[in-house]
Amino acid sequence: SQQGEEDPQALSIQEGENATMNCSYKTSINNLQWYRQNSGRGLVHLILIRSNEREKHSGRLRVTLDTSKKSSSLLITASRAADTASYFCATERSSNTGKLIFGQGTTLQVKP
Amino acid sequence: DAGVIQSPRHEVTEMGQEVTLRCKPISGHNSLFWYRQTMMRGLELLIYFNNNVPIDDSGMPEDRFSAKMPNASFSTLKIQPSEPRDSAVYFCASLPSVHEQFFGPGTRLTVL
Repeated sequence: SQQGEEDPQALSIQEGENATMNCSYKTSINNLQWYRQNSGRGLVHLILIRSNEREKHSGRLRVTLDTSKKSSSLLITASRAADTASYFCATERSSNTGKLIFGQGTTLQVKP
Repeated sequence: DAGVIQSPRHEVTEMGQEVTLRCKPISGHNSLFWYRQTMMRGLELLIYFNNNVPIDDSGMPEDRFSAKMPNASFSTLKIQPSEPRDSAVYFCASLPSVHEQFFGPGTRLTVL
């Protein structure tokens, strides 16, 4: 069963705007990760946030984690057409197994 | 490093035929994961190996599916006999000692 649920399922914005995607999960976690998938390609790791962290930045990406609400958000600032992709959150429940449970994903379209 | 290598990239077969998907993980990575992705069910973990040993195969849909990892540089996922509902994109991912998974480009399987 899927651990994470993303919303929205689809998002369409103009280049330069910010994109926010949310992820909710059901059980306690060790960490939460975000991945990007371009059409017809494999997933690419973007960022990892541990359960004891609340916010993390990487370039134009900002991730927050609220363990009390079992939710996370991914913010992409100043979006570009090249950001068009599907974005997935994935949770790792136990440490040192590497096993991830993926959500259904958010499809982001950035219009030039 | 070439990354995770999967073959074939596309496979079209007829119902009842045996299908073998292949994966070469990144050298030095300790864990290997097989996923299946469909529009209906999203990304599902089928099985994963740690140091060539199967750790969790609870995601394998039924006995028609089997996976092996005879050595650290090669894994196979076999479906015998194949059915149209097995049509999906199958991904292999490898994991070093930390948490980021590296995905291959996937094999698109179509069972007619």
